[in-house]
Amino acid sequence: EPEVTQTPSHQVTQMGQEVILRCVPISNHLYFYWYRQILGQKVEFLVSFYNNEISEKSEIFDDQFSVERPDGSNFTLKIRSTKLEDSAMYFCASAASETGELFFGEGSRLTVL
Amino acid sequence: GQQLNQSPQSMFIQEGEDVSMNCTSSSIFNTWLWYKQEPGEGPVLLIALYKAGELTSNGRLTAQFGITRKDSFLNISASIPSDVGIYFCAGSKYMYSGGGADGLTFGKGTHLIIQP
Repeated sequence: EPEVTQTPSHQVTQMGQEVILRCVPISNHLYFYWYRQILGQKVEFLVSFYNNEISEKSEIFDDQFSVERPDGSNFTLKIRSTKLEDSAMYFCASAASETGELFFGEGSRLTVL
Repeated sequence: GQQLNQSPQSMFIQEGEDVSMNCTSSSIFNTWLWYKQEPGEGPVLLIALYKAGELTSNGRLTAQFGITRKDSFLNISASIPSDVGIYFCAGSKYMYSGGGADGLTFGKGTHLIIQP
């Protein structure tokens, strides 16, 4: 069964360091998303991406964040200079169409020390 | 931004019991969804609701889209050990199960624990 895969599963980094989280969406999907879940809290929308550009972003997605689809399969989230409050589980999701069901990856846990 | 209030925060039940959880919002959503998240995994869609008043079942799960479009409930009948997990409601302002470009708004989750 096709699935969204994310790497790394867990990354520990020092405050101020750059982090790149990687995602391989389901192969025929065209819409890509990043969500964040701080421990014990709700899942929050960060950004949506379609046709090689950002469609929408939330107020959480500030200038420290960027997304990229560097090739035909990967979708990355970069945090330029991590802060303590960036510690969270980051979920990548993809959908076949704008109206379609989201399929989530297993998440990448980021711990900022 | 839009907020979803989900309750209860956690439930401790005996195997075989029925479960009920709900979500309310101060604003209207055009699609309501219920997800389940198990440890170490991402949320998985259980039920999607597109029409006010709609009642939809998926096996032992039943969910309803409130008439006012501001609430939804999820019931699980005859709970079994594999029902353990965190259940999230989510809303979309579009008729989209993925939320469209704006994404989904999630509730804080209901943690279901089943005691042997």
